[in-house]
Amino acid sequence: RKEVEQDPGPFNVPEGATVAFNCTYSNSASQSFFWYRQDCRKEPKLLMSVYSSGNEDGRFTAQLNRASQYISLLIRDSKLSDSATYLCVVIPNYGGSQGNLIFGKGTKLSVKP
Amino acid sequence: GAVVSQHPSWVICKSGTSVKIECRSLDFQATTMFWYRQFPKQSLMLMATSNEGSKATYEQGVEKDKFLINHASLTLSTLTVTSAHPEDSSFYICSATPSQRFNSPLHFGNGTRLTVT
Repeated sequence: RKEVEQDPGPFNVPEGATVAFNCTYSNSASQSFFWYRQDCRKEPKLLMSVYSSGNEDGRFTAQLNRASQYISLLIRDSKLSDSATYLCVVIPNYGGSQGNLIFGKGTKLSVKP
Repeated sequence: GAVVSQHPSWVICKSGTSVKIECRSLDFQATTMFWYRQFPKQSLMLMATSNEGSKATYEQGVEKDKFLINHASLTLSTLTVTSAHPEDSSFYICSATPSQRFNSPLHFGNGTRLTVT
């Protein structure tokens, strides 16, 4: 089983739609989780951290389910500008380099007019 | 805040030449910077951890003699791809964080797209 798995998509949705992505992780000791957004041929940019209690930032809601070892990202009222690849990122809590983030391959979202 | 700049954004070079990529933290000091590589449709993979004033730490399978890392100051790390070959063509990204906390999110440079012909 891969350390971090995401549905690659693409998710093609109309403007205004609500879309949700899931990401599963294999290391039950993982402590930190993030969603990054990556536009085509660009660097990843932090979208939001994912907290145990769940967190919301405008149209974006992130949740963590430790029992099932997955995190989710919900985007409401999709905009054309939301079109990007969304990366699930996990920091495994087995020490090592701070930079040793485990990235999913990303889920591609395409919002259509 | 927490801006990381990378240069160049893209480079095309001939096989056998060396290419240097710079990564700068513009508004904070970073004792540690990280270098990643991303092949098309693949996830980012950590190549090495760059430590200011000491040797870099390389991930398994990454040749330290091929990917030379220098972290001479608290705001600059460089990655030199020596004797580049077409299989080195990739998207190279650096990252850093102003925080020393292990679980703080990283900020990424804008990336360098290397094409070796």
